[in-house]
Amino acid sequence: QVQLVESGGGVVQPGMSLTLSCVVSRLTFSSHGMHWVRQAPGKGLEWVAVIWYDGNYEHYADSVKGRFTISRDNAKKTLFLQMNSLRVEDTAVYYCAAGPSRPRPRVEVAKFDYWGLGTLVSVSS
Amino acid sequence: DIQLTQSPSFLSASVGDRVTITCRASQDIDTYVAWYQQRPGKAPQLLIFAASTLQFGVPSRFGGSGSGTEFTLTISSLQPEDFATYYCQQLYTYSFAFGPGTRVDF
Repeated sequence: QVQLVESGGGVVQPGMSLTLSCVVSRLTFSSHGMHWVRQAPGKGLEWVAVIWYDGNYEHYADSVKGRFTISRDNAKKTLFLQMNSLRVEDTAVYYCAAGPSRPRPRVEVAKFDYWGLGTLVSVSS
Repeated sequence: DIQLTQSPSFLSASVGDRVTITCRASQDIDTYVAWYQQRPGKAPQLLIFAASTLQFGVPSRFGGSGSGTEFTLTISSLQPEDFATYYCQQLYTYSFAFGPGTRVDF
């Protein structure tokens, strides 16, 4: 069974940094685009960032652009999210998810079909 | 950026009911829509992709339809485990935006 396991969440003060990891097993990691999606307490899902299957392109939500960096290590089947200059409004559960690298993909991969359990990031003074 | 709206935002239903949730996009997104179910405290789970294709392992009481700007998720006979929040998502542009969600409760 495919597993995605996030780690690295915690409580930090505004302005500080945090790095999240997502270790993937039983999935052809290097064939999938990988995404981070977050959910603030009691709120809906917000897409954060994507990295192509080969790591050659990234795209970010406007809310995190310039502060967050997504990266991956295909040899270790691990996805990362470096979060700098954290704000109170970044408080959320962060999920990693496997999906297409690009929008308008082939129909059969137009989905986020595997998700991790999430890791909580709390930004508070 | 493409905006998604969902209606209703909350739906009160009973076991056995037929439930329909609508997702509208601010521009034509062809059939690049997926639907997810999220139970409290759990990660989202994929139900439907490409607007109408049932994900492997998802019960056949779930169905999706639509294209362009209007999409629907239908649960033909609501089961106890279906009380959850449902999100649509567009995969037409890089925002990969989600709708605001529809909570289905008693």
